[in-house]
Amino acid sequence: QKEVEQNSGPLSVPEGAIASLNCTYSDRGSQSFFWYRQYSGKSPELIMSIYSNGDKEDGRFTAQLNKASQYVSLLIRDSQPSDSATYLCAVDNTGNQFYFGTGTSLTVIP
Amino acid sequence: DAGVIQSPRHEVTEMGQEVTLRCKPISGHDYLFWYRQTMMRGLELLIYFNNNVPIDDSGMPEDRFSAKMPNASFSTLKIQPSEPRDSAVYFCASSLTALYGYTFGSGTRLTVV
Repeated sequence: QKEVEQNSGPLSVPEGAIASLNCTYSDRGSQSFFWYRQYSGKSPELIMSIYSNGDKEDGRFTAQLNKASQYVSLLIRDSQPSDSATYLCAVDNTGNQFYFGTGTSLTVIP
Repeated sequence: DAGVIQSPRHEVTEMGQEVTLRCKPISGHDYLFWYRQTMMRGLELLIYFNNNVPIDDSGMPEDRFSAKMPNASFSTLKIQPSEPRDSAVYFCASSLTALYGYTFGSGTRLTVV
């Protein structure tokens, strides 16, 4: 079993819709969770962090964490074509390093 | 701050040659990470340093790979000899602590022919 699993997609949503990206992890002791956005040919860029159960909102982005279910998600409201990218989930392994999922490719259709 | 700086941006080399990738972390960041990204395997951690000391190199695929951090502002990843299967994008990242996430460099796209 991989430490961090994501649906590879591709996920397509129309402009203005809500995009929902999901991630599960295997280490019950994990404490830190991140979402990175990676445009084609570019490096990953940190967009959200979450450390406790519940929701965390930042603009059009909401991260949701459920430690009991070992599940973290990212919602993108009012999706824009500029949101088209690969989204990587990263989870700490109770050490000083993170495991990354393989990413979900999102396309927002104008 | 200029962010994490990697060089070169692109490297094309012949099989068997030595390749050296370079990284300058963000000043004050105590952690430095080397990752490799491929379509098939995604982002894989190769090695990370804390205060210039290698902490975990279990991700280094073979003895052909080596990494050093002689000081707080410079690290290298060396592949000798290089093989076509080493072709990938290699990222360097740094952080104050792992809990606050990483800042990635622009990456080095390595092609071994």
